[in-house]
Amino acid sequence: QSVLTQPPSVSEAPRQRVTISCSGSSSNIGNNAVNWYQQLPGKAPKLLIYYDDLLPSGVSDRFSGSKSGTSASLAISGLQSEDEADYYCAAWDDSLNGYVFGTGTKVTVL
Amino acid sequence: QVQLVESGGGVVQPGGSLRLSCAASGFTFSSYGMHWVRQAPGKGLEWVAFIRYDGSNKYYADSVKGRFTISRDNSKNTLYLQMNSLRAEDTAVYYCAKDTDYGDYGSDYWGQGTLVTVSS
Repeated sequence: QSVLTQPPSVSEAPRQRVTISCSGSSSNIGNNAVNWYQQLPGKAPKLLIYYDDLLPSGVSDRFSGSKSGTSASLAISGLQSEDEADYYCAAWDDSLNGYVFGTGTKVTVL
Repeated sequence: QVQLVESGGGVVQPGGSLRLSCAASGFTFSSYGMHWVRQAPGKGLEWVAFIRYDGSNKYYADSVKGRFTISRDNSKNTLYLQMNSLRAEDTAVYYCAKDTDYGDYGSDYWGQGTLVTVSS
């Protein structure tokens, strides 16, 4: 099982804000940068956030990332139907000497 | 534009072998580290392996260590994953992904994936 824990699902109405948590440890989130990915149904993942809170070019500023200690969060504001997807956090783990993904969170727009 | 195209997937019996390839274009392949990531049917993402831009260092998930080998041929702009001693739990879509410029092991471009099915 993954060393990064996320809630299985979150849901909210359109135009509202949701937050997805990602809990890790000192060997991963606590000491390394966090990435966030969005995976639309049947598609390859897409990088949403790098270095904890930075947006790659072309990613909507409705997405934002933050980190505190051994936990990280992804927020989606102004929720839209097109945001329905699975979201994964990820980080390098110094103990495992590898990259680890979170358990994934399914976002549903009500 | 950046393109990553995986190939080599298919059906293989338990204990068998398979080699995946990932043809890269649209960027200087020899300057970037590369990942393999897999996703079992209906499951989450699982990182498999990473290789540095020059092949000098390779890292593996514990679940594949000793069975899978990541390699690259920078003259052919191609990434490989040699998979031996395959098990049913290796059944998944396998993605190759390009490392970013940011130094945080994130991946900014992904292939479309190739399906590996391990079954008798």
